[in-house]
Amino acid sequence: GNSVTQMEGPVTLSEEAFLTINCTYTATGYPSLFWYVQYPGEGLQLLLKATKADDKGSNKGFEATYRKETTSFHLEKGSVQVSDSAVYFCALKSGSTLGRLYFGRGTQLTVWP
Amino acid sequence: EADIYQTPRYLVIGTGKKITLECSQTMGHDKMYWYQQDPGMELHLIHYSYGVNSTEKGDLSSESTVSRIRTEHFPLTLESARPSHTSQYLCASSEFRGQETQYFGPGTRLLVL
Repeated sequence: GNSVTQMEGPVTLSEEAFLTINCTYTATGYPSLFWYVQYPGEGLQLLLKATKADDKGSNKGFEATYRKETTSFHLEKGSVQVSDSAVYFCALKSGSTLGRLYFGRGTQLTVWP
Repeated sequence: EADIYQTPRYLVIGTGKKITLECSQTMGHDKMYWYQQDPGMELHLIHYSYGVNSTEKGDLSSESTVSRIRTEHFPLTLESARPSHTSQYLCASSEFRGQETQYFGPGTRLLVL
């Protein structure tokens, strides 16, 4: 079946620290992988995505590389800001489904000045 | 920028009342989804639709019902609200083909007393 396992939070960092949020997946077929971000009081926004193995998604200084050999899609940012404080969700869309997304449980990130 | 709207944003209501949560999108997307987000942040798919007159139940059993009479509109109804329905409800939409990024509305926070 399809599932996503995400690093449990909360994660608390100082501004300019390095961020890693781990995400691993189980999927049938050849999934696309996504990171969504949810700011307080809002819905989810797509942060980045990768559609095939070895693709790197990037946006707003965040990066994640689709690693088929380790079934992982870890989110990284070299220098976090207070404005990055949010909940981050890893998700997959399997090629065998009709658009279903399978989400991880979310990781709360808090960045202190 | 995604054009998907949810109303109301916040709703406090008494037990036994009938409520309808509205969701509309102006992107012409065929697929639409309802998620329930619990306080621990985890997202549960409760309903989805592939197009007009198509509705399916999701992973989490829900006492709510949905309808899809128009492409742009996907309302969710609770016939008799209970405290256990207290949650945040997120609506999303995506194209039928292609990258199938899901675009989310801002959510409705429901409190049933």
